[in-house]
Amino acid sequence: SAVISQKPSRDICQRGTSLTIQCQVDSQVTMMFWYRQQPGQSLTLIATANQGSEATYESGFVIDKFPISRPNLTFSTLTVSNMSPEDSSIYLCSVTRREGIPETQYFGPGTRLLVL
Amino acid sequence: GENVEQHPSTLSVQEGDSAVIKCTYSDSASNYFPWYKQELGKRPQLIIDIRSNVGEKKDQRIAVTLNKTAKHFSLHITETQPEDSAVYFCAASISRAALIFGKGTTLSVSS
Repeated sequence: SAVISQKPSRDICQRGTSLTIQCQVDSQVTMMFWYRQQPGQSLTLIATANQGSEATYESGFVIDKFPISRPNLTFSTLTVSNMSPEDSSIYLCSVTRREGIPETQYFGPGTRLLVL
Repeated sequence: GENVEQHPSTLSVQEGDSAVIKCTYSDSASNYFPWYKQELGKRPQLIIDIRSNVGEKKDQRIAVTLNKTAKHFSLHITETQPEDSAVYFCAASISRAALIFGKGTTLSVSS
């Protein structure tokens, strides 16, 4: 398995501000993903973080709102921009080891975000 | 795109009974189907998975079955215990190994 950490673990933010969430893995992984889990809901894929290139966003998510970086094979950031109360969610990163081949996805502990 | 439907949304059983959760998927190209268990305040944890070249997989009290023709797969938990109480999510893989999740099933096991 992979050891995944996220920072911050939780935060309370004011509307209109931005928050950057970090995801760090203890070993090189190929695929990194960002998910959102709204209160009492399932996980929704935001985007695939691609190393060295722009992230691939799912329908309903745009780069201006959720810019993502992945400078190397063990680290990625997700920024939630111009936040509103509707952005209050748990944000989770996940990783797999083998590109293009279904493989176990491991999830980070999540970042709990509350927007006032 | 892929869509995963999961039923039931809640399931209550007595300790020792069996529990079955069912999922259907829409994209016939999906070929990997994991099940995750999420306890309150914790991250999702993989409990079992199945690939499209296998019809059934078992791990102690947990089993998963896959019917590719009908595009549905099921989680079976036998001899349920109170610690099995959690939210269970099914998922299907689309291209690039990303997962599309069902809406979840809240399982309550009473002793």
